[in-house]
Amino acid sequence: NAGVTQTPKFQVLKTGQSMTLQCAQDMNHEYMSWYRQDPGMGLRLIHYSVGAGITDQGEVPNGYNVSRSTTEDFPLRLLSAAPSQTSVYFCASSYSDRVSYEQYFGPGTRLTVT
Amino acid sequence: GENVEQHPSTLSVQEGDSAVIKCTYSDSASNYFPWYKQELGKGPQLIIDIRSNVGEKKDQRIAVTLNKTAKHFSLHITETQPEDSAVYFCAAGRDTGRRALTFGSGTRLQVQP
Repeated sequence: NAGVTQTPKFQVLKTGQSMTLQCAQDMNHEYMSWYRQDPGMGLRLIHYSVGAGITDQGEVPNGYNVSRSTTEDFPLRLLSAAPSQTSVYFCASSYSDRVSYEQYFGPGTRLTVT
Repeated sequence: GENVEQHPSTLSVQEGDSAVIKCTYSDSASNYFPWYKQELGKGPQLIIDIRSNVGEKKDQRIAVTLNKTAKHFSLHITETQPEDSAVYFCAAGRDTGRRALTFGSGTRLQVQP
């Protein structure tokens, strides 16, 4: 199993550009989520999905869109990048949305918006 | 919502010493408390967790304690080794209502050989 994979590893965008961060998992997990990690702030939940076709907002959803057309993939779209979106982005998956189920994290995407 | 505070932000110990990281949470309904370890360039990985009906849990050199009354929980690492050097995150959450984990701000642990 590859686990949770994310592409790209690094990305530099100019303000106003759009892009999609890719996330895929091969563990047949129903629950997938996106976090951003900023210095001194830990991990904050952006969006999550409890299954194909079902998504919901997390703690910091503004400026991001998600969709879940398959169990395996959960892309994160930045519609119009802003410097405040400079961060490291982690995708995670789990068997269930119950918090007591272990979340498996991908290796992250480091995004810089200039 | 839940608020999790984590201390210290950095911790340096000598190899073989113990390390303790402390977290406090605000939502008395939280009933699950995991700890994640993040090595350089990697995503966080679960190392130990504890549920609210348990006061302490141990796994080899790692232990977690929970004080529900005071709403704080701690990670204890004994006989530290250089490979324990990483960033550690605590988190709190509950399986009712909004099912989401709230993470602490992280502790960078450095074990000096």
